[in-house]
Amino acid sequence: DIVMTQSPDSLAVSLGERATINCKSSQSVLYNSNNKNNLAWYQQKAGQSPKLLIYWASTRESGVPDRFSGSGSGTDFTLTISSLQAEDVAVYYCQQSYTSPPTFGQGTKVEIK
Amino acid sequence: QLQLQESGPGLVKPSETLSLSCTVSGGSVSNVIYYWAWIRQPPGKGLEWIGSVYYSGDTFYNPALKHRVTISIDTPKNQFSLKLISVTAADTAFYYCARVPRGVIRGVNWFDPWGQGTLVTVSS
Repeated sequence: DIVMTQSPDSLAVSLGERATINCKSSQSVLYNSNNKNNLAWYQQKAGQSPKLLIYWASTRESGVPDRFSGSGSGTDFTLTISSLQAEDVAVYYCQQSYTSPPTFGQGTKVEIK
Repeated sequence: QLQLQESGPGLVKPSETLSLSCTVSGGSVSNVIYYWAWIRQPPGKGLEWIGSVYYSGDTFYNPALKHRVTISIDTPKNQFSLKLISVTAADTAFYYCARVPRGVIRGVNWFDPWGQGTLVTVSS
């Protein structure tokens, strides 16, 4: 199985400041056939189910605010919240779909400083 | 707007079978461009894909659970279901159903949307 490792496990950011979450896969998740990275990001608020934010590493899901952005390729990926809002407090997960079984990172908890 | 709703017992005894259903509204499980998946999350822990099913009945399972899992689909009822046999306390988790767009690998892609989830506790 591909192991997904996120860092940090938690971070506290002031309102309006940038939050950066990293995700590293144990092998490349880039499909050469379509040049797409099979990497998604989710947001899970307390007591709720996960919500898709980003797929193909950098494509924002419809309705997701543009302060959320994804970048990276191969094995190293980043989710950036450009200006943290109070409603962004949540746990964020990355997930690969390059091979089966799809696997998730352990999660990164984002809080307000 | 597509919605998914899990249903089933919240308490299952050890060694018995966990059975859940997911009812889909606002869309059809017969849509050929999607799979339908089950994912679980032990309280306070991370996410684990259990498996996926296609409208045709083709199934795709996590090897870690394959020997205990059956996922089926009922297109007339617009539902799909999960059965997990021989449960233990380690199977205590929130169980989510979700839609999966078809991708390069059969049964696998991102998950969107998710149901609200249902907590299943394994205890005597």
